[in-house]
Amino acid sequence: KNEVEQSPQNLTAQEGEFITINCSYSVGISALHWLQQHPGGGIVSLFMLSSGKKKHGRLIATINIQEKHSSLHITASHPRDSAVYICAVRIKAAGNKLTFGGGTRVLVKP
Amino acid sequence: EAQVTQNPRYLITVTGKKLTVTCSQNMNHEYMSWYRQDPGLGLRQIYYSMNVEVTDKGDVPEGYKVSRKEKRNFPLILESPSPNQTSLYFCASSSYLTASGPKVEQFFGPGTRLTVL
Repeated sequence: KNEVEQSPQNLTAQEGEFITINCSYSVGISALHWLQQHPGGGIVSLFMLSSGKKKHGRLIATINIQEKHSSLHITASHPRDSAVYICAVRIKAAGNKLTFGGGTRVLVKP
Repeated sequence: EAQVTQNPRYLITVTGKKLTVTCSQNMNHEYMSWYRQDPGLGLRQIYYSMNVEVTDKGDVPEGYKVSRKEKRNFPLILESPSPNQTSLYFCASSSYLTASGPKVEQFFGPGTRLTVL
């Protein structure tokens, strides 16, 4: 079983819809990252969380440490949000290694 | 412009021929890391470095070497490449290092697509 699980694996939305991507992990962590990988392959770091909630533009990331769960929300989705979204965790017992989820492929249709 | 650069961007080589993929950042970041990305397996960490002369293994270090002689550079060395090292490689860096790791988001390089025949 993977230490980091994302759901759904694929998601299709209409422009303007609210999107939620989930990340669950099974180990103690010191931080969780959300990354965005564009269709061209480039990776952008969106958020790093250790508690609570962060917001940047139309993106909101939350984390519940007790439930070992994080969500990434996209409000008023746009076709340019089409990308793969990847969750990664820094495992406490593993120093500063990062372990990644399998990614969620998001397609936003106009 | 703040950036992480990788060279080469594309490389086709043959089994056993030593190669180096360079990574350089101009942001004075302490933390640098190498990842590989494979279909169905996602991103996996190869090696990381918390600062100059400090390196540690990630999840898949076998077949790779790294060095961190200068803060800005973190080359990935494949001494004897094999076909199972065909992959997309990313270098990343971040700043504001604490005992529990980077406290800010990572900046990623553009990726190096390596094919080993």
